[in-house]
Amino acid sequence: GAVVSQHPSRVICKSGTSVKIECRSLDFQATTMFWYRQFPKQSLMLMATSNEGSKATYEQGVEKDKFLINHASLTLSTLTVTSAHPEDSSFYICSAKPGTGGDYGYTFGSGTRLTVV
Amino acid sequence: DQQVKQNSPSLSVQEGRISILNCDYTNSMFDYFLWYKKYPAEGPTFLISISSIKDKNEDGRFTVFLNKSAKHLSLHIVPSQPGDSAVYFCAADYGGSQGNLIFGKGTKLSVKP
Repeated sequence: GAVVSQHPSRVICKSGTSVKIECRSLDFQATTMFWYRQFPKQSLMLMATSNEGSKATYEQGVEKDKFLINHASLTLSTLTVTSAHPEDSSFYICSAKPGTGGDYGYTFGSGTRLTVV
Repeated sequence: DQQVKQNSPSLSVQEGRISILNCDYTNSMFDYFLWYKKYPAEGPTFLISISSIKDKNEDGRFTVFLNKSAKHLSLHIVPSQPGDSAVYFCAADYGGSQGNLIFGKGTKLSVKP
């Protein structure tokens, strides 16, 4: 149980275009989903917390207008990288936590490798 | 089906003792394994990794062991400290710069003074 599906797994796009990444909870409802970006030395940076039915909460330094997050339903959150540039090339991964309470039990998507050329 | 499994959702250990966090995987194509540590309201932070060509990697108090035949890896923390209390994620990589990380669901470690 508690499966998170992330799509696409890999995408190559041209500089200046936009790319949408989907994160779906397949067998549970996720009022909150999290979006991360991988940086050198393998660390994951929390970009934003996606809340169903309301605006996402962005971490300091993350451009809201560049990384658009939409959490329109209890099972789907999307991250759109707008006007992508080569420096946006990275590994993006989402996670969700079924239920409430406790800071564990996260399920991660399989991630999206974005390459901007 | 989960490719990376952490079967213990939580673990409680006394300060100064050893903490052993376990992880099992199913895909023999994985060739790189990582452990992450996560504090509340923060993203996971890389802790230690191991390549499939090794069976042990050590960094200070943290040691990761890999048993490829059993498709099992473990993270040992010795001695455990209260500051080690966090959620620990095991992750596997298909390798190379184009690899994607596959995460386990995490184990919450509590180190009691």
